[in-house]
Formats: sequence, C-alpha cells, structure tokens
Amino acid sequence: AQTVTQSQPEMSVQEAETVTLSCTYDTSESNYYLFWYKQPPSRQMILVIRQEAYKQQNATENRFSVNFQKAAKSFSLKISDSQLGDTAMYFCAFMDSNYQLIWGAGTKLIIKP
Amino acid sequence: NAGVTQTPKFQVLKTGQSMTLQCAQDMNHEYMSWYRQDPGMGLRLIHYSVGAGITDQGEVPNGYNVSRSTTEDFPLRLLSAAPSQTSVYFCASSYWGRGQETQYFGPGTRLLVL
Repeated sequence: AQTVTQSQPEMSVQEAETVTLSCTYDTSESNYYLFWYKQPPSRQMILVIRQEAYKQQNATENRFSVNFQKAAKSFSLKISDSQLGDTAMYFCAFMDSNYQLIWGAGTKLIIKP
Repeated sequence: NAGVTQTPKFQVLKTGQSMTLQCAQDMNHEYMSWYRQDPGMGLRLIHYSVGAGITDQGEVPNGYNVSRSTTEDFPLRLLSAAPSQTSVYFCASSYWGRGQETQYFGPGTRLLVL
C-alpha cells in the first residue's frame, strides 16, 4: 500500500526566513503525481504546488518550490521569504494511477513576526 | 461559477441521529469524493463517484452511504451517527482520468456527535 509520511508535526520560523517541509512516500508505481496543499485556519484546502513524477525538473510557484528526489521517494517543499500569511497546516499528498489521493498527516507551520 | 459548495458548515448531532451532508459542484466534473479529516491525520477517503449512478467505497466507508443521481450533487448520509464520526468532512470534485490531478475542495463541514 502507498503511504505518505511527514516527519515534522510542527515547525516555526521568523518572517522572511526560508523553511523546508519534508515529505517521503512509498510506492511501486513509476508514474504518479505529488502535491502540497495548504490549510489555513479557515480550513479551506488550497493547492500550493504540483509535481508530475515523469518530469525531472522541480516545480516552482513564486516563493514555493519543491525538491523532488524520485529515487529517494522524497518530495520536500521550500518556502522562501516566508510571510505571516503562510501560517497554516501543510499536507503532502500522492496521487496513484487510480487517481486516488493519499495524504500525509500534515505539518503545522507557524511564521513568527 | 461557485465551485464546490457544502452545507451545513457546522452541525451538532446526538448519537443515533441521522443526517445528510450536502455537496454540489457546478464545473461539470465527473469525479466527486468525500473525505474526513481527524486531528493529527491526513484526509481519508470515505466514498467516491466517477459519474452519475456510479459510486464506490474508499478507505473508511463504514457508517456512511452515498448516492449520485446527478452530475452536480453528491450527498453523504450518516444513518445512525456515532461519536467516532465527529470530524471535519470535505467534498472534492475533478474531471475523471486525465485532469483528475487537479481536485477542487469545498469549504468543509464540521460535525460534532455527542
């Protein structure tokens, strides 16, 4: 069975710093998608960034980028120049060939002023 | 275009009561799903549907029923609520197959079962 592991339950950094959230996954599939979702206190689930496994180039979206290591089954999220509005739960998710999403337990990120 | 809507936002039930959580989408998506989110855990799939008249079980289906009579609506029914069903419930929709990698989430329904 596929699993997604986020080993950092909570992280805290100062505003404007760079922070990296870790995610590892386990699968025997070769083609799949990986996602990072943000869930602010409003509870709305917001897609941050998406990576297709067959693409070697790491995805970037403004201040958000990923370090995708397919062989190591690692998919970390880097947030540059962190802002107070980045405070949220961050979930890593894996989409298998059946298009089902498997979620990690989440990392609570706190940006301090 | 309202996206994915869910009602109610918050509900309190007594053990044994029944209720239906509503989910609707106006994007003509074939795929719709229900997740529950519990503290310290990621989302877990309850039921899903790949089109009108077609539903299937996810990871945690016990205690829940679904039906899909139209493309737009995908209600989740709790027949006899239990305290273990206290959770936040999310509905999501997407295209089926290619394009399904982009799922759109509703705002969630917070359910408390006493």
